[in-house]
Amino acid sequence: SQTIHQWPATLVQPVGSPLSLECTVEGTSNPNLYWYRQAAGRGLQLLFYSVGIGQISSEVPQNLSASRPQDRQFILSSKKLLLSDSGFYLCAWRPQGYEQYFGPGTRLTVT
Amino acid sequence: QKEVEQNSGPLSVPEGAIASLNCTYSDRVSQSFFWYRQYSGKSPELIMSIYSNGDKEDGRFTAQLNKASQYVSLLIRDSQPSDSATYLCALPRGPGGYQKVTFGIGTKLQVIP
Repeated sequence: SQTIHQWPATLVQPVGSPLSLECTVEGTSNPNLYWYRQAAGRGLQLLFYSVGIGQISSEVPQNLSASRPQDRQFILSSKKLLLSDSGFYLCAWRPQGYEQYFGPGTRLTVT
Repeated sequence: QKEVEQNSGPLSVPEGAIASLNCTYSDRVSQSFFWYRQYSGKSPELIMSIYSNGDKEDGRFTAQLNKASQYVSLLIRDSQPSDSATYLCALPRGPGGYQKVTFGIGTKLQVIP
């Protein structure tokens, strides 16, 4: 069966520090992968999605970037965090159909 | 008009009652709809998918789709306190095989014991 992992689970970082969040999927190959952010009391915002290695589509301009160095690995990064980057970061994957399945998430607090 | 609209709630129902969660959408060509449940502090979990007009039942959950009215709903029968969560309506969008999904803001459901 397929499993999606995210780490770390929680993170507290100061403003201006770098960020690296990792997502990996097991039990499948060439999945579509997605990064979402959910700010407190707000809906899910799609940040990036990837249909294959090295292929990244950005939904919104911001100080975040994404990379897909391996088939089942998706990384979200920032060189300098802002207070507004705080939120719940969710990785999702899409198998054959249109449904997406989420990982456990990373709760980021920027102080 | 937003692509997917939901009342944020909270919707409060007594234990054992039927909870009715509603969602409207703007894209007339949408063919698939999803309901996700998100417990506080957790990630969303897919609970129902519906692809055609009418009702789809899964245990205590029934999804209803009315394409003419651009309306999809989720009914939860015999509501339990464990059903207390935020319910997100979602639909696939975009060219190239609907690579993306648009989510509603979610309706918070509170089941009162």
